[in-house]
Order: sequence, then structure tokens, then C-alpha cells
Amino acid sequence: DSGVTQTPKHLITATGQRVTLRCSPRSGDLSVYWYQQSLDQGLQFLIQYYNGEERAKGNILERFSAQQFPDLHSELNLSSLELGDSALYFCASSGRPGNTEAFFGQGTRLTVV
Amino acid sequence: GNSVTQMEGPVTLSEEAFLTINCTYTATGYPSLFWYVQYPGEGLQLLLKATKADDKGSNKGFEATYRKETTSFHLEKGSVQVSDSAVYFCALRDNYGQNFVFGPGTRLSVLP
Repeated sequence: DSGVTQTPKHLITATGQRVTLRCSPRSGDLSVYWYQQSLDQGLQFLIQYYNGEERAKGNILERFSAQQFPDLHSELNLSSLELGDSALYFCASSGRPGNTEAFFGQGTRLTVV
Repeated sequence: GNSVTQMEGPVTLSEEAFLTINCTYTATGYPSLFWYVQYPGEGLQLLLKATKADDKGSNKGFEATYRKETTSFHLEKGSVQVSDSAVYFCALRDNYGQNFVFGPGTRLSVLP
């Protein structure tokens, strides 16, 4: 158990809809990262937050947005969904003193039909 | 910018064979280097790490040495098992932006 919790584990929705994915980081971690992993693809970095502030942005579509709340949990909002958005979405956290690595959640599998 | 290159595979080996997965990186300064493993249907788990030049990370029989002169962090295991079948990701974390950069992943299949 990495200590990073993602909900829901599975999500099936229709094209054009909007969904919210949630991530609770490990206790003490200030940074949250979001990644997208499509079938047989590597990890595409979407966005990073550090202590509530956006720190870095990757290949995140304008239809996608994220935020980190004062309790450090984060949400990734995906809107106007398309079939191509079907993927695994991972959250990772880091930042506890003494740890350099990132810890990953189990992911949310999004299927757009 | 920072980047990680690794052999994309798939790699298919017989049980007890020797494994090498090559990884090279481009980064400014002195990044930390990682190998993550993803088993089917699961998230990424840290396999091993090295935070400075010449450090050797090791775990579960896997090893990798941080080679600054060749900007490499190759993953090795002397005798693979069927249970090692997974996707392996090489990654770096720069010490400035604190962001992580992942390689494309290498799928390993070990046959009995």
C-alpha cells in the first residue's frame, strides 16, 4: 500500500460528459502529480501541484483542469469527454522530508463510450 | 529539457535468464534516478533508486548503478522469474523543479 488513495477505481461515462477524479496523497506529502496512461502507452505528465499551488504543467488539454485543496487532496476534472480520453489516470505524491521518490495510487480507469 | 530514454521492448526471456534494460538520461545538474515497476492492473511501485553518482540501488535481486559519465542507469537482474513479468519504467527527478520525468516503459515477459 503506497498510502496514496484514488477514487473511483473505475468510471464509465458517455462522450460529452464531465467527470472528477479524486486523489488523497500520502500523509505529509505536499506535492501531487497527475499522469495519463493510455493503452500500451507510457506515462504522460499532466500537472503538478505543490501545497495548493500549480507547480508544473505538462501535456494537459484545455478541457482538463485540476486543483489542490487546503487539506492537500487533489481533484482532476475532465470535461467534454471524447473516446480518446479513455485511459488510466494516476495520481502520485511526494515531498515528505527524507523521501525523493514519488508514490503512486492504484489509478482510475476511465472508459468513455 | 530533461528526458529519459529506455529500450521499449517487449523483452521476452526464459526463466533464470539474465536481464538488462538500458536507460539513459539527459538532465542538468545531478538528478535522482529511479526504476519503477508496474504489474498488470496495478499502479507504479518504486523498485529502486539512486540519488548521486556511483550509487547502486538494489531490491528484490534487481540492481542499477548511477553512471554520471555515461548518463546511464541500466537495470539488471541475474536470474529472472515468471513473477518479474511487468512493465519497467526508468525515471529521473531534477533537483530544481522537483518534477519527475519517465521513460516510455519496457514490457518484460518471462516464460517458464
